[in-house]
Amino acid sequence: DVKVTQSSRYLVKRTGEKVFLECVQDMDHENMFWYRQDPGLGLRLIYFSYDVKMKEKGDIPEGYSVSREKKERFSLILESASTNQTSMYLCASSSLAGGKNEQFFGPGTRLTVL
Amino acid sequence: DQQVKQNSPSLSVQEGRISILNCDYTNSMFDYFLWYKKYPAEGPTFLISISSIKDKNEDGRFTVFLNKSAKHLSLHIVPSQPGDSAVYFCAASENRDDKIIFGKGTRLHILP
Repeated sequence: DVKVTQSSRYLVKRTGEKVFLECVQDMDHENMFWYRQDPGLGLRLIYFSYDVKMKEKGDIPEGYSVSREKKERFSLILESASTNQTSMYLCASSSLAGGKNEQFFGPGTRLTVL
Repeated sequence: DQQVKQNSPSLSVQEGRISILNCDYTNSMFDYFLWYKKYPAEGPTFLISISSIKDKNEDGRFTVFLNKSAKHLSLHIVPSQPGDSAVYFCAASENRDDKIIFGKGTRLHILP
């Protein structure tokens, strides 16, 4: 079974803090994604990565950066957290090798910025 | 501009009846469609998918129907069970693109 883990389930930070959200997958997937989920807005793509050291902006990259130094790990960084970044953050991974474009999600990190 | 639309934010269905969740899309290049289910405080889990070369795919109680001419797909759950209460996301991708475009979700309530 594919397993995607995220470093924290719940996180509380203060405005202006630098925040790191970590994601690890164990299925050797090439692709990794970061989304945020907000009520009424669904899943919105922040950043994604097709390979190590590669990154692409999603729909809402402002205020975020990412790092992919190893294939299994994809980090989301909030350089200076703001209250409007309070959200549920979801990491996912996928591979097209099996012919199906199915993303596997982690359990999510509920981030609150005070 | 939403490429994948789920126009019903919520839906309530009696236990044992059929639940029908609808989804519309605007991009005619989409060729692969997925449904995900999400419980509170958990990540979405893959439920069922369909390729554009098919018009129906069935997996147990779940069936997805695709109407390409109408750019519409629907998820049928028969019979509905209490554990089906969750948010359901419709999603689509284009030409084996690695990105998936998600709808805003429909919250399904199964009533006892």
